[in-house]
Amino acid sequence: EAGVAQSPRYKIIEKRQSVAFWCNPISGHATLYWYQQILGQGPKLLIQFQNNGVVDDSQLPKDRFSAERLKGVDSTLKIQPAKLEDSAVYLCASTVGLAGLNEQFFGPGTRLTVL
Amino acid sequence: AQSVTQLGSHVSVSEGALVLLRCNYSSSVPPYLFWYVQYPNQGLQLLLKYTSAATLVKGINGFEAEFKKSETSFHLTKPSAHMSDAAEYFCAVSDRDSSYKLIFGSGTRLLVRP
Repeated sequence: EAGVAQSPRYKIIEKRQSVAFWCNPISGHATLYWYQQILGQGPKLLIQFQNNGVVDDSQLPKDRFSAERLKGVDSTLKIQPAKLEDSAVYLCASTVGLAGLNEQFFGPGTRLTVL
Repeated sequence: AQSVTQLGSHVSVSEGALVLLRCNYSSSVPPYLFWYVQYPNQGLQLLLKYTSAATLVKGINGFEAEFKKSETSFHLTKPSAHMSDAAEYFCAVSDRDSSYKLIFGSGTRLLVRP
């Protein structure tokens, strides 16, 4: 079974530029998550999708971050414009159903460096 | 609100020694508790989870953790460290009140000395 795929693996941009990350969850997983992991910290949930609907985006900085999950499969997370403090690893995860007992499977992440 | 505290950002042990990584949580309702491991340049992998069944939970790679409600703890242990255990370990909590969002601790990096 293929795992959660993410691309690119690494991205370096200058502040005020735009960037987009892509995630392909495990086939059949209805729930998809985007996390931000700043160096030295644990992952922090940015947004959760159930199929193509948003379940929780309370911690997403909506003035600069946006995410979509068209057709309830792949997802894209965008930052526009980027700030220095956005430097982090962006992790995508998926589960079969809603969270709780269902294990979240994580992708390898995209490491973003903002100069 | 839920929170997780992991004591010690770095823990160093000798190969073959006991591994003990500490995790304390706060939750106003019965929690689910998790330990994840993250190897360099990889995503997180679930080691084990507590879901209100047995308080002693066994996971992969010889790790286990014990849920102690009175101490609000969920410490991770392994009797004998192996070089391949060197990684970052994250404790996480979720519960009904948070709609089962995973709240992670800040992580503990385990170093294994030969």
